Amino acid sequence: AIQMTQSPSSLSASVGDRVTITCRASQGIRNDLGWYQQKPGKAPKLLIYAASSLQSGVPSRFSGSGSGTDFTLTVSSLQPEDFATYYCLQDYNYPWTFGQGTKVEIK
Amino acid sequence: QLQLQESGPGLVKPSETLSLTCTVSGGSISSSSYNWGWIRQPPGKGLEWIGIIYYSGSTYYNPSLQSRVTISVDTSKNQFSLKLSSVTAADTAVYYCARHRTVAGYRLIDDWGQGTLVTVSS
Repeated sequence: AIQMTQSPSSLSASVGDRVTITCRASQGIRNDLGWYQQKPGKAPKLLIYAASSLQSGVPSRFSGSGSGTDFTLTVSSLQPEDFATYYCLQDYNYPWTFGQGTKVEIK
Repeated sequence: QLQLQESGPGLVKPSETLSLTCTVSGGSISSSSYNWGWIRQPPGKGLEWIGIIYYSGSTYYNPSLQSRVTISVDTSKNQFSLKLSSVTAADTAVYYCARHRTVAGYRLIDDWGQGTLVTVSS
């Protein structure tokens, strides 16, 4: 199975900060990668698919980039509602695999 | 507005079979545009993809669970289900049902149930 490694595992940031989370695949996955946001007690929510395509209804401060093995999720100006855990998910081949998550906390 | 709702026992004994159902409302489970799957999350831990069933009936499972897992669809009830046999405490998790679909050739999971906690304990 393809291993997805996210970094950092957690970070502290302030409202208005620019935040970047990275995800590295153990082998090339083209751009078959999505980013999900999960708040405590809630189901994950799709933010980005195909590495850089913004899901309908998701604020434009979220963006994704990358191809092959290295990917990033960027939040251009962190808002109070963005404090959550973020996961990458590769859907290049089965089994689909998630990164271990990045928890974004309030500084 | 599509909605997915998991249901099933919240407590399962070790060595028994975990059975969950996901009821889909606001859309047809038979649509060729959608596929259906399960993801789980042990308490305080990350997400694990369990498997998927395509509208064609084809299934793909996580090899880590392959020998124990079955996903099936009941179109007459607009439901799909998960069965996981020979459970242990390691199978304790929140189980999510989810809609998978393809957009411009790219696969994604865009709708999730609220999740249901299943505890394996005697």
